[in-house]
Amino acid sequence: DVKVTQSSRYLVKRTGEKVFLECVQDMDHENMFWYRQDPGLGLRLIYFSYDVKMKEKGDIPEGYSVSREKKERFSLILESASTNQTSMYLCASSSPNSVYSYEQYFGPGTRLTVT
Amino acid sequence: ILNVEQSPQSLHVQEGDSTNFTCSFPSSNFYALHWYRWETAKSPEALFVMTLNGDEKKKGRISATLNTKEGYSYLYIKGSQPEDSATYLCAFRRGGSNYKLTFGKGTLLTVNP
Repeated sequence: DVKVTQSSRYLVKRTGEKVFLECVQDMDHENMFWYRQDPGLGLRLIYFSYDVKMKEKGDIPEGYSVSREKKERFSLILESASTNQTSMYLCASSSPNSVYSYEQYFGPGTRLTVT
Repeated sequence: ILNVEQSPQSLHVQEGDSTNFTCSFPSSNFYALHWYRWETAKSPEALFVMTLNGDEKKKGRISATLNTKEGYSYLYIKGSQPEDSATYLCAFRRGGSNYKLTFGKGTLLTVNP
């Protein structure tokens, strides 16, 4: 079974703090993604990575950066957290070699509250 | 930004009812349409990947159809059970975009016992 894990289920941070959200997958997937999910807005893509050290902006990259130093790990960084970044953050991974090519497998999510 | 619409936004049914909801997506440059089920406090779980016009997929009491020419997919649940309560998401993959999925906002299904 594909397993995607995220470092925390719940996180509370203060405005202005630097926040790291970590995601690890154990299936040697090439592609990894960060989404945020807000009520009434659905899943929106923040950043994705298709290889180590490679990254591309998604639909809402402002206020975020990412790091992918190893294939299995993809980090989302909030350089200076703001209250409008309070959200549920989901990580996913995919591969062209999986049974359903490019099917995305999701982690359980991190609910981040910025106060 | 691609437009993927799901309707209705939410749905309440009684146990045993059959139900269906809709996903509409761009009909041009289609590659694949994904359906996910997302239960509260769990990860979104893949239900179907559909690639061909006219595709029909089935998993137990859940089935889906695909019309790529007019840009819609239906998800059907026969004899709904309380454990079917979840948000159902569809996601569109455009041709030439191997990585990216564009998600709809989801349909929240509540099945009352």
